[in-house]
Amino acid sequence: QVHLVQSASEVKKPGASVRVSCKASGYTFTNYAINWVRQAPGQGLEWLGWIRPDTGNTNYAQTFQGRLTMTTDTSTETAYMELGSLRSGDTAVYFCARDWGYCTTGSCLFDHWGEGTLVTVSS
Amino acid sequence: DIQMTQSPSSVSASVGDRVTITCRASQSISSWLGWYQQKPGRAPKLLIYAASSRLSGVPSRFSGGGSGTDFTLTITNLQPEDFATYYCQQAGSSPFTFGGGTKVEI
Repeated sequence: QVHLVQSASEVKKPGASVRVSCKASGYTFTNYAINWVRQAPGQGLEWLGWIRPDTGNTNYAQTFQGRLTMTTDTSTETAYMELGSLRSGDTAVYFCARDWGYCTTGSCLFDHWGEGTLVTVSS
Repeated sequence: DIQMTQSPSSVSASVGDRVTITCRASQSISSWLGWYQQKPGRAPKLLIYAASSRLSGVPSRFSGGGSGTDFTLTITNLQPEDFATYYCQQAGSSPFTFGGGTKVEI
């Protein structure tokens, strides 16, 4: 059974960075990309990007280029998302989500999700 | 970026009703579309992929259709557990974008 378990909520000041973790289990971690999707309070869903654990290849949404870094640790089957230069508009629940199998070939849906991590940016 | 427009933004319905949600893409995405269900405080759940294919375990009362730019999600015989927010998502072109959501409420 696929499980994605995320790290606890964070409160950060504007300008700081945040790192959220996502520990995977129940499947072969290196075979599927991990995506990150966020949801601001009361708002819709926004895709940030994906990382392929076996190669380290990434695909970031242009909106976040320059302040977003995704990494993985295959020894612990954990993915990480780090977002820098935080501003109030980054306040959101951040979800990790597993690729349905085709993200790296151009078609991306998300078949298993973590429970979400609330990141609050406030002075 | 491909824009996804959902309508309506909310719909009131009763148990047993049929509800149809539409999703329009700003350019053709063939059948590269998914539908998700999200309940308050929970992560989204993928229901439909490739516009019309149900994931294993998704009840048959959920059906998807369409191709190109216009898509629908239909829920027949609405059940109490179906009251939630539904999102479409285009899967054909990065960045992978979502519709604004449709809240199905009592």
